[in-house]
Amino acid sequence: QQPVQSPQAVILREGEDAVINCSSSKALYSVHWYRQKHGEAPVFLMILLKGGEQKGHEKISASFNEKKQQSSLYLTASQLSYSGTYFCGTVANAGGTSYGKLTFGQGTILTVHP
Amino acid sequence: GAVVSQHPSRVICKSGTSVKIECRSLDFQATTMFWYRQFPKQSLMLMATSNEGSKATYEQGVEKDKFLINHASLTLSTLTVTSAHPEDSSFYICSARDQSPGGEQFFGPGTRLTVL
Repeated sequence: QQPVQSPQAVILREGEDAVINCSSSKALYSVHWYRQKHGEAPVFLMILLKGGEQKGHEKISASFNEKKQQSSLYLTASQLSYSGTYFCGTVANAGGTSYGKLTFGQGTILTVHP
Repeated sequence: GAVVSQHPSRVICKSGTSVKIECRSLDFQATTMFWYRQFPKQSLMLMATSNEGSKATYEQGVEKDKFLINHASLTLSTLTVTSAHPEDSSFYICSARDQSPGGEQFFGPGTRLTVL
């Protein structure tokens, strides 16, 4: 079952912050975050494993609440280059392995204006 | 990060012809590769999981006789769209999973297929 992302779209000015949420009805082993520019393939941002963790990547960080089966992606001091569609991909918890398939959310369109 | 290539990047073909798309992991061995299809303004939909040396596992609703997948080596998987029709026009993207504990997937640049 597809995870649900919110919001569907965000419009920011440079320097503003944004949060994108990803929620699943299934117990999760891991959450993967990607950014896709128009006409290009998704680019891997980060992966969060079960056990509840936070990760950071430049000004982009994420958290994973295993109990709630939710993950959030935090974009701080946004730059023009952050524009794109953000997808979360979830791997269901299947016997403790991470080799299950990725199921993607519907995407969140982020637009950063000067 | 790991590099995955796809070829061709764009293909236009006539209805009824077959098209082969290659996916290669350039700097790592990928025992598992995935094939996705993405329609405009939609999410990535998994078509099949390709395991080296064995038959691919197809998702529900994906015709295995129409979308032939071969994973003959640890660095190459191919998707052949047989007897393509205009409704098969889409963006096809492969990904390869490395052996790290997290099972990160790295995506190829995608292939834009247009069937006339």
